[in-house]
Amino acid sequence: GQQVMQIPQYQHVQEGEDFTTYCNSSTTLSNIQWYKQRPGGHPVFLIQLVKSGEVKKQKRLTFQFGEAKKNSSLHITATQTTDVGTYFCAGPRDGAGSYQLTFGKGTKLSVIP
Amino acid sequence: KAGVTQTPRYLIKTRGQQVTLSCSPISGHRSVSWYQQTPGQGLQFLFEYFSETQRNKGNFPGRFSGRQFSNSRSEMNVSTLELGDSALYLCASSSLAGVNEQFFGPGTRLTVL
Repeated sequence: GQQVMQIPQYQHVQEGEDFTTYCNSSTTLSNIQWYKQRPGGHPVFLIQLVKSGEVKKQKRLTFQFGEAKKNSSLHITATQTTDVGTYFCAGPRDGAGSYQLTFGKGTKLSVIP
Repeated sequence: KAGVTQTPRYLIKTRGQQVTLSCSPISGHRSVSWYQQTPGQGLQFLFEYFSETQRNKGNFPGRFSGRQFSNSRSEMNVSTLELGDSALYLCASSSLAGVNEQFFGPGTRLTVL
């Protein structure tokens, strides 16, 4: 079945350093979504990427969708303590335009002030 | 608009018992999905309901079941609880219009003793 893998599993950074998490799917995706879950909270939608090679920015966050639509990355510039949490990528189940999502296991970000 | 609500927020049960969890989606959202979240396995898809019909099911045993009512509210049931069922159970609703963003509820933390 479809697998979505994320690396690294954990990342500890000093406040002000950059952070990147990578997501790889075993199948081509029609789109990919990113979510953030704060400690003790629930996942919150950040963004969806649809086009091959697409790059989107949200303030200090930059999201990329690979040319083959099988990988994606999230880059945070100059991390802040408010960035702490677990970042998940998710792709439609079975790789097609399904409305169900397969989540990666997430990258847990810790920011040392 | 009110967000997704889940009740109860916390539950403690013993092995062999059964449990029912409830989810009220955002008004107007007809798709409700359930996920199990554990530290080791991450977010795993249980099932999705749309217009009172189960459209998709994840790889969970038959002890896990659910239903959806005409007002889109959903319940999931776990029978014959096992220790390994201890997890955060998250419900998510979606409008299925445009971006298939999943709006998550706060979850029900189930502990099986």
